Amino acid sequence: GDSVTQMEGPVTLSEEAFLTINCTYTATGYPSLFWYVQYPGEGLQLLLKATKADDKGSNKGFEATYRKETTSFHLEKGSVQVSDSAVYFCALIVIGFQKLVFGTGTRLLVSP
Amino acid sequence: GAGVSQSPSNKVTEKGKDVELRCDPISGHTALYWYRQSLGQGLEFLIYFQGNSAPDKSGLPSDRFSAERTGGSVSTLTIQRTQQEDSAVYLCASSAQGETQYFGPGTRLLVL
Repeated sequence: GDSVTQMEGPVTLSEEAFLTINCTYTATGYPSLFWYVQYPGEGLQLLLKATKADDKGSNKGFEATYRKETTSFHLEKGSVQVSDSAVYFCALIVIGFQKLVFGTGTRLLVSP
Repeated sequence: GAGVSQSPSNKVTEKGKDVELRCDPISGHTALYWYRQSLGQGLEFLIYFQGNSAPDKSGLPSDRFSAERTGGSVSTLTIQRTQQEDSAVYLCASSAQGETQYFGPGTRLLVL
């Protein structure tokens, strides 16, 4: 079945450090890929998405590139801020199936 | 415009009681989804409604769970004879057909 694998957390960084959160997927069809973020006490928010191979999604300084050859969608940010502390979820949706399949989430903690 | 809203935000109930959770989707969105977020299982798909089509109930964990969507808008998720393992955050999302899903803040359910 379809699945998403994310790196275990928590990821602990100092402010202005470089961030990478790894995400790989297995899909029976051709998926669209997403990163959602959940800030403390809040609901899930879409951070970025990519719908086809080699697309790069970007938002708020975060980027992720859809790599079909490595079935990956790693999240990166060049310089994290304390306000980026949250749980990040990688997810996929296979066209025709409509339901999002989520990874387990990665907690990011950024200290001043 | 307004986002997805859910009520109540928190619900505490006793084991064996029935609960109803409500979701108001974004106006004009034809698709509505319920997911569950729990410590042991992560984020799981429960049910999907699209327009007037029969819902996709493939994610409902047992026959104690049911959902309806009235008039193509508001949805109610009902859990009968609640069990402690039903304790979780219940998330609703909506989308225009085939487009990105937008999530509500969730209902946190605690079964004592």
